[in-house]
Amino acid sequence: GQQVMQIPQYQHVQEGEDFTTYCNSSTTLSNIQWYKQRPGGHPVFLIQLVKSGEVKKQKRLTFQFGEAKKNSSLHITATQTTDVGTYFCAGHGNMLTFGGGTRLMVKP
Amino acid sequence: GAVVSQHPSWVICKSGTSVKIECRSLDFQATTMFWYRQFPKQSLMLMATSNEGSKATYEQGVEKDKFLINHASLTLSTLTVTSAHPEDSSFYICARGENNSPLHFGNGTRLTVT
Repeated sequence: GQQVMQIPQYQHVQEGEDFTTYCNSSTTLSNIQWYKQRPGGHPVFLIQLVKSGEVKKQKRLTFQFGEAKKNSSLHITATQTTDVGTYFCAGHGNMLTFGGGTRLMVKP
Repeated sequence: GAVVSQHPSWVICKSGTSVKIECRSLDFQATTMFWYRQFPKQSLMLMATSNEGSKATYEQGVEKDKFLINHASLTLSTLTVTSAHPEDSSFYICARGENNSPLHFGNGTRLTVT
């Protein structure tokens, strides 16, 4: 079945450093979605990528969708303490499958 | 504001009792809603897809007689955890989504079974 792998599992960064999480699917995706879950909260939708090679930006966040539509990344520039949380990718193939998530911790 | 409302936010119950969790779509009639379970520091695992007016579709390994889903109207889906045991303690989250559109999650219900 469809599998979505996400790395790293955890990342500690100093405030101001950059952060990247990577997502890889075992199958070609029709789209990929990214969500953020704050500690104790519920996942909140960030963005959806549909086109091969697509790049989208939201302030300090940059999202990429690979050319083969099987991988994606989220890059945060100059992290802030408000970026703390777990970032999940979710790949839409024949069903929506969540990656394991990357837990970001930011030291002030 | 929130488009999916989930209640209760947390519940503590004794082993053997049943717990009902409600999920309401506030701004959109939802023919489909999803129920997820999340153990601490883990990912979201889809339990079942709730279909308005018909039987829910359960994922492999999820006991349909233990996790009863009712989607009697276009705005309300309920999940009942029957005869709860401590291993059922988890974070249960509902979500609304149509076709390939992004999911709108409820606030989640933290269930603790003692």
